[in-house]
Amino acid sequence: GQQVMQIPQYQHVQEGEDFTTYCNSSTTLSNIQWYKQRPGGHPVFLIQLVKSGEVKKQKRLTFQFGEAKKNSSLHITATQTTDVGTYFCAVPNDYKLSFGAGTTVTVRA
Amino acid sequence: NAGVTQTPKFQVLKTGQSMTLQCAQDMNHNSMYWYRQDPGMGLRLIYYSASEGTTDKGEVPNGYNVSRLNKREFSLRLESAAPSQTSVYFCASSEAINGKAFFGQGTRLTVV
Repeated sequence: GQQVMQIPQYQHVQEGEDFTTYCNSSTTLSNIQWYKQRPGGHPVFLIQLVKSGEVKKQKRLTFQFGEAKKNSSLHITATQTTDVGTYFCAVPNDYKLSFGAGTTVTVRA
Repeated sequence: NAGVTQTPKFQVLKTGQSMTLQCAQDMNHNSMYWYRQDPGMGLRLIYYSASEGTTDKGEVPNGYNVSRLNKREFSLRLESAAPSQTSVYFCASSEAINGKAFFGQGTRLTVV
């Protein structure tokens, strides 16, 4: 089945700064999903990318799907304390979703 | 709108005890899943049900069984709990397999 690698595993960010987290696959993906899990909470769907080179924005979050559909990125601008949590990418794997290990984000005020 | 409801929220078991985690969704979704989450390992799929009447093994099925009771409900059973099964368990559902997944609040299980 398809595996995805997420980097970095941890991201410590100063409030107001930008950061990017990446999701990489060795095989071509049909689509990729992103989820956010707040501390003590459950994963919540953020977005799905389907097309090669697709870019979608949600306020300060920008999601991109690579041209070769093997990688994806999540860029957050002007990080706020509300961005704290773990961000997961998820990809179709046979007949199920496989999740990456996640990037856990902490914010220094 | 309740979405995905899991019970119980917390549970402590002794090694060897059995229990069933309950999950119900009210979104008329076809597919349902059970994941476990351990520190640093993301979400690992235990079992899934692509549609009512079918169940299949995921990445880590050993020590677990499931029942898709009807379209709404998908339960996870631990027949003889082991300390290695200490984890947070999430039930999820989606309209179709590999679609946008909705997660329950999770069950925090400790096996001593």
